[in-house]
Amino acid sequence: GQNIDQPTEMTATEGAIVQINCTYQTSGFNGLFWYQQHAGEAPTFLSYNVLDGLEEKGRFSSFLSRSKGYSYLLLKELQMKDSASYLCAVDNYGQNFVFGPGTRLSVLP
Amino acid sequence: SAVISQKPSRDICQRGTSLTIQCQVDSQVTMMFWYRQQPGQSLTLIATANQGSEATYESGFVIDKFPISRPNLTFSTLTVSNMSPEDSSIYLCSLGQGSPDTQYFGPGTRLTVL
Repeated sequence: GQNIDQPTEMTATEGAIVQINCTYQTSGFNGLFWYQQHAGEAPTFLSYNVLDGLEEKGRFSSFLSRSKGYSYLLLKELQMKDSASYLCAVDNYGQNFVFGPGTRLSVLP
Repeated sequence: SAVISQKPSRDICQRGTSLTIQCQVDSQVTMMFWYRQQPGQSLTLIATANQGSEATYESGFVIDKFPISRPNLTFSTLTVSNMSPEDSSIYLCSLGQGSPDTQYFGPGTRLTVL
């Protein structure tokens, strides 16, 4: 079966660093994606990992360990506008994306 | 990336009626996807729509409830049939594009069924 887990909610302070974890068990694996979704809006693509290791894109970094079925999204220098839900998704081959439940991040002043 | 538009952006419908949601893309794409996002939940894939063939539905979704059309490479529709309040959700179309093949989403249609 397909199973992706993320923490439901997280809270952090403006300027801080936060790490959002994602664990997955899927029948196939062709890459892991992170999306950001602000309330009332569509998800937007943040990052992609297919090989083990860290991918850095500005304030956002994403890490993958395929052997552990584990990824995290690291957000640095948090800003108020980073308050959103963060979804991890596994490309289960054939463009069949399986989405995790999402983590709602609240950034406090 | 492609520009994706959906109509309507939102609607309030009565139980037992049907609503057709349109998805328009500004470039030709082979595969388009329809997702549902129930209140406070993540995204669930309803079906994959290829031009020129029947849509492929995920477990738990059937053609009679969610008929899909894909008349050309830039357009698709999803109909939510015989609606009940449980169908109240956001419905999003998406496409895969780029390298890596990334899902890009339309703005969504927020459906409320009374």
